[in-house]
Amino acid sequence: GAVVSQHPSRVICKSGTSVKIECRSLDFQATTMFWYRQFPKQSLMLMATSNEGSKATYEQGVEKDKFLINHASLTLSTLTVTSAHPEDSSFYICSAREGGPGDTIYFGEGSWLTVV
Amino acid sequence: SQKIEQNSEALNIQEGKTATLTCNYTNYSPAYLQWYRQDPGRGPVFLLLIRENEKEKRKERLKVTFDTTLKQSLFHITASQPADSATYLCALPNQAGTALIFGKGTTLSVSS
Repeated sequence: GAVVSQHPSRVICKSGTSVKIECRSLDFQATTMFWYRQFPKQSLMLMATSNEGSKATYEQGVEKDKFLINHASLTLSTLTVTSAHPEDSSFYICSAREGGPGDTIYFGEGSWLTVV
Repeated sequence: SQKIEQNSEALNIQEGKTATLTCNYTNYSPAYLQWYRQDPGRGPVFLLLIRENEKEKRKERLKVTFDTTLKQSLFHITASQPADSATYLCALPNQAGTALIFGKGTTLSVSS
């Protein structure tokens, strides 16, 4: 099946710094990519949807100035957590879709962010 | 807004039995529904998609039903094995149809 790769898989950063997480579709062109956040024993919460070349659409309650999403090419999207705080520590998961709504969405392996 | 409920947080069964997981949704009529498997610390893995005009779908030991009247999907794993132990997530498109939203999941434990 299609592969979506996330990097880094684990990152520890100091409070107040920024950290970037990359999401790549390895064997298909992703017209749409999605970023989710998951706290322990909780469901995946959609943060934002991004289409290549346009601004991301953020879900209600997600600060777009804090969670910067860039979808510069059909195979790469990045999530930058700016001025990170300990409460931003979470499991961040990206996913990608090649076609339109209803097509299969493939998920990355996730990135664990710990802010100390 | 739409709600997805996976009624059981945890389900424990013995090897060889059939596991049945439930997903209920409210407040809208999705065009399709998906089931994913998630292992601890990993991203979800797609299992099955069922569309609103399909009553049932099968894939090897997996079977999914979709009752649009009851607004419910059932996910069955027959002849369960310890390797089936994982969290299973039900997912539906949001009302705009642009992204998937997920239930909390049911953690299945299959004991040998």
